[in-house]
Amino acid sequence: SVLTQSPGTLYVSPGEGATLSCRASQSVRSNYLAWYQQRPGQAPRLLIYSTSSRAPGIPDRFSGSGSGTDFTLTISRLEPEDFAVYYCQQYATSPLTFGGGTKVEIK
Amino acid sequence: QVQLVQSGAEVKEPGASLRISCKASGYTLNSYIIHWVRQAPRQGLEWMGTLNPTSGGTTYLQRFQDRVTMTRDTSTNTAHMELRSLTYDDTAVYYCARGNAIYNDALDVWGQGTVISVSS
Repeated sequence: SVLTQSPGTLYVSPGEGATLSCRASQSVRSNYLAWYQQRPGQAPRLLIYSTSSRAPGIPDRFSGSGSGTDFTLTISRLEPEDFAVYYCQQYATSPLTFGGGTKVEIK
Repeated sequence: QVQLVQSGAEVKEPGASLRISCKASGYTLNSYIIHWVRQAPRQGLEWMGTLNPTSGGTTYLQRFQDRVTMTRDTSTNTAHMELRSLTYDDTAVYYCARGNAIYNDALDVWGQGTVISVSS
């Protein structure tokens, strides 16, 4: 399944919200869709699994939604540490695939 | 503290092989699937394959099928990934990551990454 993320870059002011999109080329079985955050020079970090469940320790300003082929990550109020690259991933079927990423930059 | 600790950066010549280790700490390697993911410079994430440490069974991305081997050593709680016949396109950061059934096998713990540079 090919995952297409949009936009490629999102410019947001601190304190504002952001909406990131991930579209799959075929339906993601059981909505096994995850979101990861990657800061410069760091490994990815799991934010959301199974479309909408937050991983432990993830602030509630991060939320995920969607089903089938269309998924969304919403960040309600951006903090300075949230400016990073975000990847969606489907892990329902092999091969696992990642989207190309959305970079969230400071406006 | 649960973590995956990877071996250090390496420089390899084209045609050589690499072998990266990924040591599980704070948990037993056998309890979770291990995935290998790589990231070329300024690029996104690419899944390479999985290792079931309990059975030793593997699943590889087709394009790596003939030159990758993923293994484990349960006595040292360590997974290994070997990639052969390196080309310049194999320059990347390589990550191991744990698939956790509690999160329906999403990747909840990642190694720090191993930088591999292929250069003559």
